[in-house]
Amino acid sequence: AQRVTQPEKLLSVFKGAPVELKCNYSYSGSPELFWYVQYSRQRLQLLLRHISRESIKGFTADLNKGETSFHLKKPFAQEEDSAMYYCALSGHGGSRLTFGEGTQLTVNP
Amino acid sequence: GAVVSQHPSRVICKSGTSVKIECRSLDFQATTMFWYRQFPKQSLMLMATSNEGSKATYEQGVEKDKFLINHASLTLSTLTVTSAHPEDSSFYICSARGLAASTDTQYFGPGTRLTVL
Repeated sequence: AQRVTQPEKLLSVFKGAPVELKCNYSYSGSPELFWYVQYSRQRLQLLLRHISRESIKGFTADLNKGETSFHLKKPFAQEEDSAMYYCALSGHGGSRLTFGEGTQLTVNP
Repeated sequence: GAVVSQHPSRVICKSGTSVKIECRSLDFQATTMFWYRQFPKQSLMLMATSNEGSKATYEQGVEKDKFLINHASLTLSTLTVTSAHPEDSSFYICSARGLAASTDTQYFGPGTRLTVL
């Protein structure tokens, strides 16, 4: 079975502070990990995926297979980063996504 | 590119009636479409996976006779909530996945808010 855990439902930081949104997963094979973001009143959109190893809007995430984690990080948070963030996992065969519970990030001025 | 639309964006219906929700991939061919349900302040729960031209695969606990899914073309999937009841009130979200490398991920629709009175 595949499972994604986001331990923090709410996270609040000040503008300019570093932010880390935690994600842990369980999966017996080699998973593909994603971060999705949902801004207020907007649809869910892909933020980044681990296989592309790219930085989007200043966010990065490294897959740590030893710790089964895929934490999302940004060194300097901006107010426009305030949104709901979902970590998701796709297992062998590709398509089916399992989502974590989500973390609501608030960046205060 | 890779835009997914849903129609309607919100619908209110009486208990016992059926409601159809459409999901369209606007600029790519979606070989696979997914239907999710999201309760307030909760995560997305996958309901079913549908591949064009074949029967949908439902997740455990999802009644296939209640949530009818049709994926008749590469750009359209529909979810019909049959004999709706107030407990079916929820936010329904679809996503679509294509075959091309540029669409080899799930793109989400804006969601449909269903309220059953």
